Amino acid sequence: GQNIDQPTEMTATEGAIVQINCTYQTSGFNGLFWYQQHAGEAPTFLSYNVLDGLEEKGRFSSFLSRSKGYSYLLLKELQMKDSASYLCAVRPTISSGSARQLTFGSGTQLTVLP
Amino acid sequence: DADVTQTPRNRITKTGKRIMLECSQTKGHDRMYWYRQDPGLGLRLIYYSFDVKDINKGEISDGYSVSRQAQAKFSLSLESAIPNQTALYFCATSEGQGRDTQYFGPGTRLTVL
Repeated sequence: GQNIDQPTEMTATEGAIVQINCTYQTSGFNGLFWYQQHAGEAPTFLSYNVLDGLEEKGRFSSFLSRSKGYSYLLLKELQMKDSASYLCAVRPTISSGSARQLTFGSGTQLTVLP
Repeated sequence: DADVTQTPRNRITKTGKRIMLECSQTKGHDRMYWYRQDPGLGLRLIYYSFDVKDINKGEISDGYSVSRQAQAKFSLSLESAIPNQTALYFCATSEGQGRDTQYFGPGTRLTVL
């Protein structure tokens, strides 16, 4: 099985930098996704990591350490529109025995204050 | 036009009623999924389909059934709705290759009274 942990809530100030952590335990690993979800809307894809290291995409970056079962999403130059829930999701390997599908964390609700 | 559409967007029904939620996609993806989202519990997988003839149960399939009518259409049914099925339901698709990213529809808010 799989278990994913992320903080429930975070607050930051407009223009600042925030790091949202995600830890996971899985019997097999084949990639980690980050999604952004505004209230009442669909999750939208932000980033994907399958190898260790940092992936940068504009103001958003995502880091993965497979040996530590750890990822973080880094948001720079925060804007009010970044207020949303951020979902971490892990995909197991096909041979792991569990469903070959994404397991989502409960999400981190980020509030950006002016 | 949206790539993944869901109908209805909102539905209020009574306990014991049969409900069907529909999902259509124009992305040409083979894989389709149904999730439900409850406050504090994140997204949980109900059913998934890798093609028209391949349908699989997810984490929480009890009380639900699905039909893959075509590559582009995947329906979720609640045969006899109960109040604890009140939730936000999302359909998603993926192409099944590479990173196999899932893309979500706008969601259906279902309330069972």
